[in-house]
Amino acid sequence: AQSVTQLDSQVPVFEEAPVELRCNYSSSVSVYLFWYVQYPNQGLQLLLKYLSGSTLVKGINGFEAEFNKSQTSFHLRKPSVHISDTAEYFCAVSGGGGSNYKLTFGKGTLLTVNP
Amino acid sequence: DAGITQSPRHKVTETGTPVTLRCHQTENHRYMYWYRQDPGHGLRLIHYSYGVKDTDKGEVSDGYSVSRSKTEDFLLTLESATSSQTSVYFCAITTGAFGGYTFGSGTRLTVV
Repeated sequence: AQSVTQLDSQVPVFEEAPVELRCNYSSSVSVYLFWYVQYPNQGLQLLLKYLSGSTLVKGINGFEAEFNKSQTSFHLRKPSVHISDTAEYFCAVSGGGGSNYKLTFGKGTLLTVNP
Repeated sequence: DAGITQSPRHKVTETGTPVTLRCHQTENHRYMYWYRQDPGHGLRLIHYSYGVKDTDKGEVSDGYSVSRSKTEDFLLTLESATSSQTSVYFCAITTGAFGGYTFGSGTRLTVV
């Protein structure tokens, strides 16, 4: 079984400030980790993913995440946010082909960027 | 995304009526999923398909059924709609191989 915990339901920040959205996971098998973003009234869009290799993963729109196996974490970061980054962010875990690539999502973190 | 469409986009229905939502893809992807999104719950998997006529339950499957008679279409049916099924429903597709999901634009369903 897999689960994802997003530690903050809401994160307000000012424009140009750095931000970190926290995600912890649990899994009994090898994990593959994802971050998705959802802008208001839209579907979800893939930001980045960790499958293997380098633990620092870079994604779109200047976001990056670091996989930490010992802490079972996959936190999302951006050094300087823009108003347009206001959205809901979802962390997700997959057990891979053995689980038919099903994704288990966290409950989401609403990032609000204020001027 | 142009490769996946959901219909209808919005629907209001009465308690006790059957409702069918459609997910259509033009990508020829093997895997298709139905999720529901509710405030405070994130996305929860209802049913999924790993091939034509191959489907299985997710974590919140009670009250829902699915069918996939051809690669491009995955139908979600609420057999007798209840107010607890008021939600936004998303369809997603993937090739597998960790390409990540492509999501549809969602169907907002209100059961009154």
